[in-house]
Amino acid sequence: ETGVTQSPTHLIKTRGQQVTLRCSSQSGHNTVSWYQQALGQGPQFIFQYYREEENGRGNFPPRFSGLQFPNYSSELNVNALELDDSALYLCASSSDLAGNTIYFGEGSWLTVV
Amino acid sequence: AQSVAQPEDQVNVAEGNPLTVKCTYSVSGNPYLFWYVQYPNRGLQFLLKYITGDNLVKGSYGFEAEFNKSQTSFHLKKPSALVSDSALYFCAVRDLRRDDKIIFGKGTRLHILP
Repeated sequence: ETGVTQSPTHLIKTRGQQVTLRCSSQSGHNTVSWYQQALGQGPQFIFQYYREEENGRGNFPPRFSGLQFPNYSSELNVNALELDDSALYLCASSSDLAGNTIYFGEGSWLTVV
Repeated sequence: AQSVAQPEDQVNVAEGNPLTVKCTYSVSGNPYLFWYVQYPNRGLQFLLKYITGDNLVKGSYGFEAEFNKSQTSFHLKKPSALVSDSALYFCAVRDLRRDDKIIFGKGTRLHILP
């Protein structure tokens, strides 16, 4: 039990649509990051939020955006969905002490058709 | 740039035998290294981490990892494999210089044969 919950667990969208994925972190975990894991690949860093501000971003286009809220929840939004966006999206959280363990949720499986 | 490499796509081990899953790293500064396990259709579960201190790190489910600075390796080990250890294992490094992101290896699929 990591204390990180994600919703929905599975969803199917059509190319061009928009999707919002949600994550709820442990209390006190003020850092949240999102990862994309394509089939057969390791997770790839999308971006990170610290105290409600983005403070790091991987090689993903601007149509990937996020929000972090004061209640330790966060969202990943993807606009103009493409077929290659089909993947497992993982939310991870940690406290702000360097080196602390990062805990992952079970992920949201997104299929774009 | 920080990176980790897992040279084996798959490792097969007989139940009861010792297992090793290999990982090498390339980092600037002190390495913050992790192992995670992923069971089918599940998220990532934390196994263990190396931040500093003893080179032999003990983690969950009887796993341990040995940090070797001269060989830049962080191999995952277990003295006696269980069938239930069959899963996908990821080595990772945390990039504290920027982003604080975790950089994952491509993963090694571990098959424990009964």
